[in-house]
Amino acid sequence: SQQGEEDPQALSIQEGENATMNCSYKTSINNLQWYRQNSGRGLVHLILIRSNEREKHSGRLRVTLDTSKKSSSLLITASRAADTASYFCATDGANDYKLSFGAGTTVTVRA
Amino acid sequence: EAGVVQSPRYKIIEKKQPVAFWCNPISGHNTLYWYLQNLGQGPELLIRYENEEAVDDSQLPKDRFSAERLKGVDSTLKIQPAELGDSAVYLCASSLGFANTEAFFGQGTRLTVV
Repeated sequence: SQQGEEDPQALSIQEGENATMNCSYKTSINNLQWYRQNSGRGLVHLILIRSNEREKHSGRLRVTLDTSKKSSSLLITASRAADTASYFCATDGANDYKLSFGAGTTVTVRA
Repeated sequence: EAGVVQSPRYKIIEKKQPVAFWCNPISGHNTLYWYLQNLGQGPELLIRYENEEAVDDSQLPKDRFSAERLKGVDSTLKIQPAELGDSAVYLCASSLGFANTEAFFGQGTRLTVV
């Protein structure tokens, strides 16, 4: 079973537009992480936000966390073709430290 | 610095045969994970090690899957016997610790059972 659920499942945008995807989870967490996976490749860590943080930035990435709603969002600004990938949220469980992944959002950036 | 190394990258076996995957984590990383990823899905945790101790193997199908992490460094994951439904990508990851640290993933082993 997977802890997180991403929404939408798939997203297609024009180069230069922003992409937003959401993640909802079920149990208490220590932190929430976002990973990117290009086709046929391994997962790459993008950003980690701790449970006591509300917003974090890294380059063109902006992550928010609302622990009261058990949800997070990932915003990619000024998208590029190279951003085409699947994006996964992963939660680090507060009680078991289990790093659990959602099913992912597939983002396609059109040139 | 080398990343997480997995081998083999690809493996095709007939059902009922055994198969083994090997993982070399990043040096100094105490935590090691094995995940299974089906096409179009997110990774699902099979087992987590803290040094040489398996601290979470609740999702490892113990009737056919086994894992070990000798001396708290390299790890192997074994399936015996393999079933058609085991076809998937097996990912290994490591991290410095088990809390508030990012995980680094290997390229994975794509297993096809025919």
